Amino acid sequence: KAGVTQTPRYLIKTRGQQVTLSCSPISGHRSVSWYQQTPGQGLQFLFEYFSETQRNKGNFPGRFSGRQFSNSRSEMNVSTLELGDSALYLCASSLGSGAGPRGGYGYTFGSGTRLTVV
Amino acid sequence: GNSVTQMEGPVTLSEEAFLTINCTYTATGYPSLFWYVQYPGEGLQLLLKATKADDKGSNKGFEATYRKETTSFHLEKGSVQVSDSAVYFCARGGSARQLTFGSGTQLTVLP
Repeated sequence: KAGVTQTPRYLIKTRGQQVTLSCSPISGHRSVSWYQQTPGQGLQFLFEYFSETQRNKGNFPGRFSGRQFSNSRSEMNVSTLELGDSALYLCASSLGSGAGPRGGYGYTFGSGTRLTVV
Repeated sequence: GNSVTQMEGPVTLSEEAFLTINCTYTATGYPSLFWYVQYPGEGLQLLLKATKADDKGSNKGFEATYRKETTSFHLEKGSVQVSDSAVYFCARGGSARQLTFGSGTQLTVLP
């Protein structure tokens, strides 16, 4: 069974550019979440999609956006890149509301996209 | 808001030593609780989980018990191996369909 696939694995971008990251969830998983991991802030929630609808969004500026397609694949976009956007971006998929009160499905994470902004 | 407080690292142990990594969470609602592990250059792997009070999650010799009275979910392993060297994250779920993570604990096991 294929896991969560994130592409590309590594990216180097210049300040002011924009970037699009891709995530293919496990087959049958309809929930896709995105997290940013940095040494200073740790793991922070960006947003969660379920059946093409954004159901929850973290505390990030509007430069961070995402979408989900009908096949559950998801993309996130960061516009007007800043040096502080350098991070490991992790995508996670779940069968349903994996983090709900009794959900307990758990989330399966991809290997991440390492974004470096120079 | 929701938060998770995790034992500061790094932790260095000798092979076959006993491991405990402390984790406490805010008690809002009845969250699911998780431990994830991250190996160098990798994403997060779900190590174990518990969805209600007194549940014990276990996997690969690791265990953690959901303690509602102390709002804790401490990770334990009786005998660590060099291959257990990694960063361990405690996390809580919630009604907002997001995971809140602790700051992570770097574990190094020496042969």
